[in-house]
Amino acid sequence: AQKITQTQPGMFVQEKEAVTLDCTYDTSDQSYGLFWYKQPSSGEMIFLIYQGSYDEQNATEGRYSLNFQKARKSANLVISASQLGDSAMYFCAMRDRSKAAGNKLTFGGGTRVLVKP
Amino acid sequence: EAQVTQNPRYLITVTGKKLTVTCSQNMNHEYMSWYRQDPGLGLRQIYYSMNVEVTDKGDVPEGYKVSRKEKRNFPLILESPSPNQTSLYFCASSPPGGRPSYEQYFGPGTRLTVT
Repeated sequence: AQKITQTQPGMFVQEKEAVTLDCTYDTSDQSYGLFWYKQPSSGEMIFLIYQGSYDEQNATEGRYSLNFQKARKSANLVISASQLGDSAMYFCAMRDRSKAAGNKLTFGGGTRVLVKP
Repeated sequence: EAQVTQNPRYLITVTGKKLTVTCSQNMNHEYMSWYRQDPGLGLRQIYYSMNVEVTDKGDVPEGYKVSRKEKRNFPLILESPSPNQTSLYFCASSPPGGRPSYEQYFGPGTRLTVT
């Protein structure tokens, strides 16, 4: 069965510093996708970044980058130059192609980030 | 504007009183899902639908029903809500196919409290 593990329930980061959020996954499939979502206190789910299992380069989107290490089954999110608005809950999620299930995403438990001024 | 809408956004109800949370998307997506979010557990899929009149159970379907009579709508029904269904609920839609790059579009969430 698929599983996503986020081992950091919460963390503080100083404004303007970089922060790495850990995510490890477990799947027996060769084709899968990894996602990161941000959930601010208002509650909505905001898509941040995507990495395909066959992508050779790590994904980047502005200040977000994904450190993808396939052999270690990890997909850590790096936020550079943290801003106060980055304070939120962050979820790692995975979808694999063999599990039709309506494009189901399997989520980790989340990491709460608080950016200090 | 492409979006998924949910109503109500907030609901406080009592045990056993039937309720429906509506979900609608304007992107003509075939796939729709319901998730619930609980602390430490992330989001878990309740039910999903891959087309009109095609629905199936997700990981945590007990106590819920769904229907898909129209492509754009996917209501979540709690026939007899219980306190353990207190949660934050999300509806999501996506285009079909196995390409993993298709992200899901999430609604704004419905915060449900059952007393």
